[in-house]
Amino acid sequence: GIQVEQSPPDLILQEGANSTLRCNFSDSVNNLQWFHQNPWGQLINLFYIPSGTKQNGRLSATTVATERYSLLYISSSQTTDSGVYFCAVELSQGAQKLVFGQGTRLTINP
Amino acid sequence: DTAVSQTPKYLVTQMGNDKSIKCEQNLGHDTMYWYKQDSKKFLKIMFSYNNKELIINETVPNRFSPKSPDKAHLNLHINSLELGDSAVYFCASSPYDRANTEAFFGQGTRLTVV
Repeated sequence: GIQVEQSPPDLILQEGANSTLRCNFSDSVNNLQWFHQNPWGQLINLFYIPSGTKQNGRLSATTVATERYSLLYISSSQTTDSGVYFCAVELSQGAQKLVFGQGTRLTINP
Repeated sequence: DTAVSQTPKYLVTQMGNDKSIKCEQNLGHDTMYWYKQDSKKFLKIMFSYNNKELIINETVPNRFSPKSPDKAHLNLHINSLELGDSAVYFCASSPYDRANTEAFFGQGTRLTVV
């Protein structure tokens, strides 16, 4: 089946720093989403981005479908950005289900 | 006006019991899912339903039985609970439209089997 790999697994930064999270996937996809799982366990939609670039405030994402990777950029980090960031993909030729990466745990220290 | 809501949020029960988790979505989506998040935070699909019909059963033990009374509801019933069933269970929904399959998740149900 499709492999989804996220890097780095862990990231610890000071407030105000910028970061880039990466998601590599092994096959063509119809859907790619980025989620933030906050410390209370909620999965929050960040981006629906099967291709191209999107921005939402301090966050932006880019997916290069032909090269099978996506990047999530977080600028001017705040402590509330802490949590686990998941990339999830849906195969182009598969049934509707998301396959998740193992996540990047981001800790922002004040 | 919660989009995907599941109840209960927490469930603590003894081994061997039977329990249910309910899920409802008000987004008008045709497809609903159950995902399981293990203790290492790994998320994996369990079931997928489209318009009340089962599409995916990802080799889940038959002690787990999803039921979809209508396309806005997908409940999960678990028989004879085992210690290994302890996890966070997420319900989700998405449109059944290849042009947009963005999924939205409920807040999760943390199941602890003792």
